[in-house]
Amino acid sequence: ETGVTQSPTHLIKTRGQQVTLRCSSQSGHNTVSWYQQALGQGPQFIFQYYREEENGRGNFPPRFSGLQFPNYSSELNVNALELDDSALYLCASSRDRGNYNEQFFGPGTRLTVL
Amino acid sequence: AQKITQTQPGMFVQEKEAVTLDCTYDTSDQSYGLFWYKQPSSGEMIFLIYQGSYDEQNATEGRYSLNFQKARKSANLVISASQLGDSAMYFCAMRELRRAAGNKLTFGGGTRVLVKP
Repeated sequence: ETGVTQSPTHLIKTRGQQVTLRCSSQSGHNTVSWYQQALGQGPQFIFQYYREEENGRGNFPPRFSGLQFPNYSSELNVNALELDDSALYLCASSRDRGNYNEQFFGPGTRLTVL
Repeated sequence: AQKITQTQPGMFVQEKEAVTLDCTYDTSDQSYGLFWYKQPSSGEMIFLIYQGSYDEQNATEGRYSLNFQKARKSANLVISASQLGDSAMYFCAMRELRRAAGNKLTFGGGTRVLVKP
């Protein structure tokens, strides 16, 4: 196990609702990245947080937002849920941004939007 | 923009045999890293192996080796002596190594490997 935890493991929401997903990074890691993985596809980068600030964003609309807390844990918030938001959401933590470093992934949160 | 292509959606391999998973990439950057991850049905992405664009030797990690051909922009994963536990999805990914790029990984579509006893 990587030491990265995510909650909840599964979630069912309806269109238009809002959802918050949580990620606890590995001890000593100050960078958290979020990915969306639709069924049968590779993960897509949503955004990254470094020392509590957003530090890079993929091609996702503003209704995807996040936070990073002083203990470097992180939240992903999605407003106005759409059916296409159904996916596995993965977070990954690492010791620093840039340069080579291994990213440790959590087990993911599977979100279903009905 | 970076792009990763994995052309094999699925593969069968006999237990104890070797298997090669293809990965080609496209980037205009000179400094980048290539990664392979394993994703079992549980969903967690497990890091397998890394190759830097300036590394002269192919990376190896136990039964995993990366066949890096920079001129062809390919980074194929070789799994030797396949085991039943190797059955999973495998993803090739790339990251720019500029500090401003952060840790963003660009993933391919994946290859599903099924090891037969």
